Parts: sequence; C-alpha cells; structure tokens
Amino acid sequence: SQTIHQWPATLVQPVGSPLSLECTVEGTSNPNLYWYRQAAGRGLQLLFYSVGIGQISSEVPQNLSASRPQDRQFILSSKKLLLSDSGFYLCAWDPRVLSGNTIYFGEGSWLTVV
Amino acid sequence: KQEVTQIPAALSVPEGENLVLNCSFTDSAIYNLQWFRQDPGKGLTSLLLIQSSQREQTSGRLNASLDKSSGRSTLYIAASQPGDSATYLCAVQGGSEKLVFGKGMKLTVNP
Repeated sequence: SQTIHQWPATLVQPVGSPLSLECTVEGTSNPNLYWYRQAAGRGLQLLFYSVGIGQISSEVPQNLSASRPQDRQFILSSKKLLLSDSGFYLCAWDPRVLSGNTIYFGEGSWLTVV
Repeated sequence: KQEVTQIPAALSVPEGENLVLNCSFTDSAIYNLQWFRQDPGKGLTSLLLIQSSQREQTSGRLNASLDKSSGRSTLYIAASQPGDSATYLCAVQGGSEKLVFGKGMKLTVNP
C-alpha cells in the first residue's frame, strides 16, 4: 500500500533562518507531487507541483522553493524565512491519472516563524 | 480562473440531524470533484470522489452529488454524530491536473 511521510511535524524558526521540509512517498512510482500551505482564513493554497524528477511548477511568487531530487521525494525550502511564511504545510501525491483517482495528503508540518 | 466556494464557513448542529454541505465552482470544465475531511491540526482525508460523468457517490452515511452544468455539489451527511465534527473541504480538478480547493466548512456536531 502507498504511504506518504512528511517531516518535521512542528517547526519554530526565527526570521531570516533557512527552511527545509521533506516529503517522501512509498509504494508507488512516478506520482504527481504537491506542496500546499494552509493559513488561517485563506484556505488551502497550492504552492508547487511536480510531474517528474526536476520538474517543478510554481503557483505563486513567494519566498519559497521546491525540489524533487528523486522520484518519490519532494522538498520545500527557503533561504530566509519571513513572518508571513508561518502556516500549515501539506505535502500530497496522486497517481497521475486524471480522473478516477484521489489525492493523498501527508499529516502536515506546522511552521511558526518568530 | 477556477474558484470554489463553500458557504457557510461554519455550522453547529445537534446530534442526529441530517446535514447538507454546499460547494459551488465557477468553471464547469472539470474532471472530478472531491470532498475531504480535515481534523484539527491534521492532514486531509479523502471522503468521496465524483468523476465528471457521474451524478453522485455514496459511502456509508455520506452521499455526494454533482451538477456540473450548474457548478454545484452537495455533501449529505445522514444522522450526524459528534465524531463527524471536522472541517469539510471540496476541491475540483480541471485540465491542469491541479486541485482547486474551497476554504472549507467547519462542522460541529453537539451531543
């Protein structure tokens, strides 16, 4: 069966410090991978998605970047965090079939920038 | 640009009531619509997926319907229980393969 792991679960970082959130998927190959952010009152916002190794699409201009060094690994990074980067970050995957397949989410990472 | 709306943002009901949660979307050219549940501080769990060619899907006490032409979906929860308390989100998937989410509806079922 497929599983998705996301870590760390909770992170408190000072403004200006770097960030690295990691996500790995097991039990599948060549998935679509996604990073979402959920901020209070703003719903779930798609940040990045990837259809293959090294292929990253950014949805919104921001202080963050993403990389996919391996087929089932997706990393969210920042060189210098801003206060506005605080939020709940969710990694997700789907099996790259347009219809009839759902998307699966990790348990999320709480980031507080202080 | 696809927009997904869920109204109201929150709902509080006594246990046992039958509930209808609404979702509307602006672009009817979708591949599917999905309903998710999110418990506080947790990730999202898929409840039901309706493909564009389908009218409804059922799972246990949950039934979701889709009217693509009018851009609407409803999630029906029968005989609500305190354990149903959570935030419910709907999302649509279009030609770009990306899901567009509503902001969710926070449901509280009181015992």
